Amino acid sequence: GAVVSQHPSWVICKSGTSVKIECRSLDFQATTMFWYRQFPKQSLMLMATSNEGSKATYEQGVEKDKFLINHASLTLSTLTVTSAHPEDSSFYICSAPRNRGNSDGYTFGSGTRLTVV
Amino acid sequence: QQQVKQSPQSLIVQKGGISIINCAYENTAFDYFPWYQQFPGKGPALLIAIRPDVSEKKEGRFTISFNKSAKQFSLHIMDSQPGDSATYFCAASHDYKLSFGAGTTVTVRA
Repeated sequence: GAVVSQHPSWVICKSGTSVKIECRSLDFQATTMFWYRQFPKQSLMLMATSNEGSKATYEQGVEKDKFLINHASLTLSTLTVTSAHPEDSSFYICSAPRNRGNSDGYTFGSGTRLTVV
Repeated sequence: QQQVKQSPQSLIVQKGGISIINCAYENTAFDYFPWYQQFPGKGPALLIAIRPDVSEKKEGRFTISFNKSAKQFSLHIMDSQPGDSATYFCAASHDYKLSFGAGTTVTVRA
């Protein structure tokens, strides 16, 4: 149980275009979704936290106008990379806590490899 | 600023050997300490986790040792197998927000 389905698993786009990444919680309600970015051979860096029905909270240094996050329902959160540039090429991963009490941990999506050419 | 410091960056172990990865933290508000295994091109998968009121937790070949006073915790992988070759991340959580260590790439030689 507690599966987060992330799509697409990989995407190649041209510079200047926008790309949307979706994360769906399949068998639980994800009131919160964390979005991470991971460069090759590096750790996961938290970009933003989305909460269903409210504005996302962005970490310091993350451009909120470039990385648009929407959490319109309890089962779907999306990250849109707007006006993508080659430096946005990275591995993006979403994660949802199974409950607010941390007792069951976090479920991660399988990640999206974004390549901007 | 990395809130969780992880070492070593990489290690090589023979099949059947023991892999040991160490992590240290400063924030005493952390209340959940998971370890994740990640294969290339995949999201992290939870291996094992511990809370600060427990000093050790074992699940199969994986053991977490936790030293609250030293603010350190470690992962031991017993009887390492080639399929264990992956990157391992320690993490710590407060208010359900995770902070990750830098990661350790483990290579198990057959």
